[in-house]
Amino acid sequence: GIQVEQSPPDLILQEGANSTLRCNFSDSVNNLQWFHQNPWGQLINLFYIPSGTKQNGRLSATTVATERYSLLYISSSQTTDSGVYFCAVHGAGSYQLTFGKGTKLSVIP
Amino acid sequence: NAGVTQTPKFQVLKTGQSMTLQCAQDMNHEYMSWYRQDPGMGLRLIHYSVGAGITDQGEVPNGYNVSRSTTEDFPLRLLSAAPSQTSVYFCASSYAGQGYGYTFGSGTRLTVV
Repeated sequence: GIQVEQSPPDLILQEGANSTLRCNFSDSVNNLQWFHQNPWGQLINLFYIPSGTKQNGRLSATTVATERYSLLYISSSQTTDSGVYFCAVHGAGSYQLTFGKGTKLSVIP
Repeated sequence: NAGVTQTPKFQVLKTGQSMTLQCAQDMNHEYMSWYRQDPGMGLRLIHYSVGAGITDQGEVPNGYNVSRSTTEDFPLRLLSAAPSQTSVYFCASSYAGQGYGYTFGSGTRLTVV
């Protein structure tokens, strides 16, 4: 099956700093999504981004499907950005959403 | 409130007991799925359904059964609980096909002793 790798596994930021999270995948995908799991365990869909660039406030994401990677940018980080960020993909022709192991982000005041 | 509702939120089982985790959605999503989350492992797909009456296995289906008699409900059954099934379980739903509108429930924390 398709493999999804995320980096870095852990990231500690000072409040106000910017960061880039990376997601690499091993095969062609039909879509890619980014999720945020907050410290209370709730999973929130951030972006549905099979290709191109999208922005939502301080967050933006870019997927380059031909090169099999996606990037999540967080600007001017806040403590509420803390949690785990997951990348997940649907392989071509598959109904199964495969998750990476996540990047744990800690934003300190 | 629109969304995915999971019950119970917490459960402790003894080894060998059976139970059903409930999942319901009111967004008329065709696709529903169950994941388990273990430390350092991300989320792994247990079973999924692309519509009423249709289910299929995911990455880690052993020890679990599912059925989909209605569009709204997708229960997960543990047949004979084992300590290895201690985990946090998430139900999710989305529009059919490639996962647009993916929405997760709040999770069920299950401990098997």
